[in-house]
Amino acid sequence: AQTVTQSQPEMSVQEAETVTLSCTYDTSESDYYLFWYKQPPSRQMILVIRQEAYKQQNATENRFSVNFQKAAKSFSLKISDSQLGDAAMYFCAYRNIPENSGNTPLVFGKGTRLSVIA
Amino acid sequence: DAEITQSPRHKITETGRQVTLACHQTWNHNNMFWYRQDLGHGLRLIHYSYGVQDTNKGEVSDGYSVSRSNTEDLPLTLESAASSQTSVYFCASSPGRVTEAFFGQGTRLTVV
Repeated sequence: AQTVTQSQPEMSVQEAETVTLSCTYDTSESDYYLFWYKQPPSRQMILVIRQEAYKQQNATENRFSVNFQKAAKSFSLKISDSQLGDAAMYFCAYRNIPENSGNTPLVFGKGTRLSVIA
Repeated sequence: DAEITQSPRHKITETGRQVTLACHQTWNHNNMFWYRQDLGHGLRLIHYSYGVQDTNKGEVSDGYSVSRSNTEDLPLTLESAASSQTSVYFCASSPGRVTEAFFGQGTRLTVV
């Protein structure tokens, strides 16, 4: 079974600085998707960014970018120019792409709580 | 706008009672999921469904059941609530097998 590990339960960053959240995963599959979700105090789960494993280029969404290292099974999230609104719990998630027409659920890590210091 | 809604948002129940949490989506997504969120555990999969009449057990399915009689709804039932089932429950759906999931607002359940 696939597992997702987020080794940093808590992180903090100064406003306007850059922070990187770590995520590693364990899989024997070659095709899959990776995601980062943000959960602010409102509890809503918000998709931040996603990465297809077959794409070598790292995904970017405005101030959010990833460093995808397929061989190392690493998928870190970099937040640039951190803002107070970035304070939240961040979850890394994995979704396998079956070879047949089957389907698979998302598997989540335990999360990293990010604090932004003004 | 299409959306996914959970009800109730908060519920307190007694040990041993049967409880059903509702999940309704208007996107016509085939895939629906139930997760529970606990401090230190992240989101853990309870049950999931890939279409009408299809249900599958997840990582923490003991004490829970689901049924899928139509595309829009996947209710989660706690057969006999236990204090260990105090948690925040999230329902999610996705349109395809390789896309992200879209989440409801969550239900905070307290079993006393």
